[in-house]
Amino acid sequence: EVQLVQSGAEVKKPGESLRISCKGSGYSFSSYWISWVRQMPGKGLEWMGRIDPSESYINYSPSFQGHVTISADKSISTAYLQWSSLKASDSAMYYCARHPHGMDVWGQGTTVTVSS
Amino acid sequence: EIVLTQSPGTLSLSPGERATLSCRASQSVSSSYLAWYLQKPGQAPRLLIYGASRRATGIPDRFSGSGSGTDFTLTISRLEPEDFAVYYCQQYGSLPLFTFGPGTKVDIK
Repeated sequence: EVQLVQSGAEVKKPGESLRISCKGSGYSFSSYWISWVRQMPGKGLEWMGRIDPSESYINYSPSFQGHVTISADKSISTAYLQWSSLKASDSAMYYCARHPHGMDVWGQGTTVTVSS
Repeated sequence: EIVLTQSPGTLSLSPGERATLSCRASQSVSSSYLAWYLQKPGQAPRLLIYGASRRATGIPDRFSGSGSGTDFTLTISRLEPEDFAVYYCQQYGSLPLFTFGPGTKVDIK
């Protein structure tokens, strides 16, 4: 079965760092781009950026460039989304998704709560 | 940056009725790289349509997509109870931003 499994919910304080993960299985992880998508409570979907796991080539949305870091380790079929200094406004659900054409496989989501 | 507008914001219909959802782009979408997703509360989105008109694997044929350039449509021929959800369009042909539309909520009348 093709799936993306994300790391568990996180509760952090403002200013802390965080890395969440997305592990692919059931397919050739290096063959498909992985995107990250943010969904703030009660809001729509926002595309954050994507990575080509084979070459680690990355595109960032201008809205997220400089605020997050996307990376991948193809040897363990895992993509990452990282913050160096969290803000309360980073509280949201974060999804990873595979995309050949459209995003056809999604992770279950990781809830990030940032609160003092 | 391509901006997507979806209409209506909310569509109130009964099971068995036909639903027509619109997605309009501020610029032409490259090579019809337009997708539609369904999202139910508490769940991840699910891909319905890609390439403007191609159904994703396992998607029933009551879902169909059409359009090109700047105007796209998702049609659900007969609404089933499980179809009441929020629908998003997304363009994935033009960087630096693979934009999502704001969504259309289809709820039970």
